[in-house]
Amino acid sequence: DAMVIQNPRYQVTQFGKPVTLSCSQTLNHNVMYWYQQKSSQAPKLLFHYYDKDFNNEADTPDNFQSRRPNTSFCFLDIRSPGLGDAAMYLCATSSRTTEAFFGQGTRLTVV
Amino acid sequence: DAKTTQPTSMDCAEGRAANLPCNHSTISGNEYVYWYRQIHSQGPQYIIHGLKNNETNEMASLIITEDRKSSTLILPHATLRDTAVYYCIVRVVNYGGATNKLIFGTGTLLAVQP
Repeated sequence: DAMVIQNPRYQVTQFGKPVTLSCSQTLNHNVMYWYQQKSSQAPKLLFHYYDKDFNNEADTPDNFQSRRPNTSFCFLDIRSPGLGDAAMYLCATSSRTTEAFFGQGTRLTVV
Repeated sequence: DAKTTQPTSMDCAEGRAANLPCNHSTISGNEYVYWYRQIHSQGPQYIIHGLKNNETNEMASLIITEDRKSSTLILPHATLRDTAVYYCIVRVVNYGGATNKLIFGTGTLLAVQP
């Protein structure tokens, strides 16, 4: 049974058109992460939540925002997608000390 | 944040042990070493983690040097399905605050050959 679910698996958006990616979890973990992974590169942490506390990485562009309305859900908003934002976006969850569980990712294409 | 260094790629013959090294020379005393792998186009999969002692589970063994500056992931009997990118990660945990990062290293592409 999937524990970290990302929807959709594939997303096509137009250049400059806002897009939202979603992530849900059934593990009741208090930490949720968003990563960006470009082709042949390692996943790059964009930001993470510890409960409701938002932690942004210093080099995450302002174009990327996130919302966590409750424990189970977390959203990644890209305000004005550019061609360089095409990537796989990975969501993960963990408790403070357990391993992280990853979703299958959303592959974003910008046209 | 502690960084990790891994070889870009490695080959291993099917049925043989695969030994994947990782350098984390700037690791702090309360930081764990985690290993994940990622098969093409899938989300990373947890393998094993440790702090100081060697660890073993059904998937792999983790050997951490006494000074904790490096570690080795051992897949005892590699199969073709073990072909993947293996990531060594140092877990950054701020017990006094709310940050709890998981920063990926460069990864090693392990190719298991028939």
